[in-house]
Amino acid sequence: EAQVTQNPRYLITVTGKKLTVTCSQNMNHEYMSWYRQDPGLGLRQIYYSMNVEVTDKGDVPEGYKVSRKEKRNFPLILESPSPNQTSLYFCASSGTSGRETQYFGPGTRLLVL
Amino acid sequence: GQSLEQPSEVTAVEGAIVQINCTYQTSGFYGLSWYQQHDGGAPTFLSYNALDGLEETGRFSSFLSRSDSYGYLLLQELQMKDSASYFCAKETTDSWGKFQFGAGTQVVVTP
Repeated sequence: EAQVTQNPRYLITVTGKKLTVTCSQNMNHEYMSWYRQDPGLGLRQIYYSMNVEVTDKGDVPEGYKVSRKEKRNFPLILESPSPNQTSLYFCASSGTSGRETQYFGPGTRLLVL
Repeated sequence: GQSLEQPSEVTAVEGAIVQINCTYQTSGFYGLSWYQQHDGGAPTFLSYNALDGLEETGRFSSFLSRSDSYGYLLLQELQMKDSASYFCAKETTDSWGKFQFGAGTQVVVTP
């Protein structure tokens, strides 16, 4: 089944404790992206990747890191999480630029205390 | 702030037609996309307009007018399962692959 998977689905952590949210797709997509969703703000792009070893900042990259060492994986790293990073996070992938259909993962709900 | 503006909520009865407008500020972009998101779920793709005009996909249609800086999503023959949030999104031409989404429109379908 073609899908985007994220882990973990739910996470409660404390300020400053490094964490990684994994994202993997099995559709051989070149484009992958991370979004955060907060009430009343819709989806805001954090980072995106057009291909392996190519990453760029979205509108809200502060406090996040990403890497794209393999085509199928695009982990999101929070080196020192803060409470304002409490949010719902979605990973997405697409065939080329994301301009056509973006397939979203199920989401990761993060609470930083 | 949001570079794409949408109404926050629309309520309609089953069988009705709903139009969700999306206005944007920048003139340079490749196209306008629409996504649906049910409560607790992931966004799913509905439609994409690369060119001006109407794109029809079953009960849903999407329209784009670059000269007027707006687009809309039309939901026809509303069903209860259409109760969800709907987002418009655009890719910016200054950064290929960089996307911005509207804040979303909550559609409430009543019996």
